[in-house]
Amino acid sequence: TQLLEQSPQFLSIQEGENLTVYCNSSSVFSSLQWYRQEPGEGPVLLVTVVTGGEVKKLKRLTFQFGDARKDSSLHITAAQPGDTGLYLCAGPGGGTSGTYKYIFGTGTRLKVLA
Amino acid sequence: GAVVSQHPSWVICKSGTSVKIECRSLDFQATTMFWYRQFPKQSLMLMATSNEGSKATYEQGVEKDKFLINHASLTLSTLTVTSAHPEDSSFYICSAEGQGETQYFGPGTRLLVL
Repeated sequence: TQLLEQSPQFLSIQEGENLTVYCNSSSVFSSLQWYRQEPGEGPVLLVTVVTGGEVKKLKRLTFQFGDARKDSSLHITAAQPGDTGLYLCAGPGGGTSGTYKYIFGTGTRLKVLA
Repeated sequence: GAVVSQHPSWVICKSGTSVKIECRSLDFQATTMFWYRQFPKQSLMLMATSNEGSKATYEQGVEKDKFLINHASLTLSTLTVTSAHPEDSSFYICSAEGQGETQYFGPGTRLLVL
């Protein structure tokens, strides 16, 4: 069974600090996505990483896909209160009877204090 | 692009009634849609995979007679919670599979069963 473990589970930091969220698996993924979800809303796609070793930047957010495509990280520089939310990594995984399904990470809840 | 809508955004119903939730991909066609359930402060739990023109595939532990899924067109999937009970109260989120193995999520439907 493919699993995506995220760490830390919870993170509360002051505005301006840097942080890194990790998404780890023992399985290889063809791609990984990162989402951010705010309370009462659906997840919003931040980025998709496809190539092992790939690094993508989205303003203050830097995403990296591990060389072996088993892990990924999200680094936020100078966090702001607007970054508060639930961060989820996800990747395509095999299902039963050939059914294609998505696997979600355990989630990291970030709170940035002003 | 890649917008997914859900309707209704929230619903309150009496125990024993059935509730239908719609998921639409507004600007793209989706052969595959997914239905998730999310409990407070937790990650998304995949309930079922909905394939256009065929029966849905349910995850282990999800009652298919309780959660009826219909994917009648390439832009619409519906989830019907039959004979709803208070324990079915939750946040239900759908997603539609777009290009590059990426899922695009709807805004979610909050169900409260009294």
